[in-house]
Amino acid sequence: EAGVAQSPRYKIIEKRQSVAFWCNPISGHATLYWYQQILGQGPKLLIQFQNNGVVDDSQLPKDRFSAERLKGVDSTLKIQPAKLEDSAVYLCASSPMRGRDGYTFGSGTRLTVV
Amino acid sequence: DQQVKQNSPSLSVQEGRISILNCDYTNSMFDYFLWYKKYPAEGPTFLISISSIKDKNEDGRFTVFLNKSAKHLSLHIVPSQPGDSAVYFCAAKGNQGGKLIFGQGTELSVKP
Repeated sequence: EAGVAQSPRYKIIEKRQSVAFWCNPISGHATLYWYQQILGQGPKLLIQFQNNGVVDDSQLPKDRFSAERLKGVDSTLKIQPAKLEDSAVYLCASSPMRGRDGYTFGSGTRLTVV
Repeated sequence: DQQVKQNSPSLSVQEGRISILNCDYTNSMFDYFLWYKKYPAEGPTFLISISSIKDKNEDGRFTVFLNKSAKHLSLHIVPSQPGDSAVYFCAAKGNQGGKLIFGQGTELSVKP
């Protein structure tokens, strides 16, 4: 089966600019996650979708970050405006359902804010 | 509040020897634990998991041990191979929802 696809792989923007990341999960996977991984730290959950509904966005900085998952398939994560501390790898993952299984991660988008 | 902690940022081991990676957690509601492996420029990949009803799970060269009373788990790799060199993340989740809480990671270097 095809893996989780993410684009772009790399992005460099200036602070206060906006940026968007795209994720296409594994076909049939109902649950989609966006994680932020800052250098030297473990991945931190930003938002979790079950189909096209939000299950958990408690750690999403909603003043600047937004995410949507239209039709319960692809998802986009947007940052507007970006800050220097947003420099990180943004990882998308999917799983068949809420429950016991581990996720499948995409390769991530490395964002550098200068 | 760091609920999952990996206190060793790096570990260096000789090829053929045992690698032991450690992880501590604070939340007693966690009941499922996973280890992920990450190569540079790739996403984490699932390696092995263990349910809280077990104290050991083995898969080939990889064994995970869970000590619930100490809230501690460890990953043993025997024998270690140069291809095992990567960052290893410990993760935990509770019985509601799929959210994984990750540790900071340990970078393993296996030297030939």
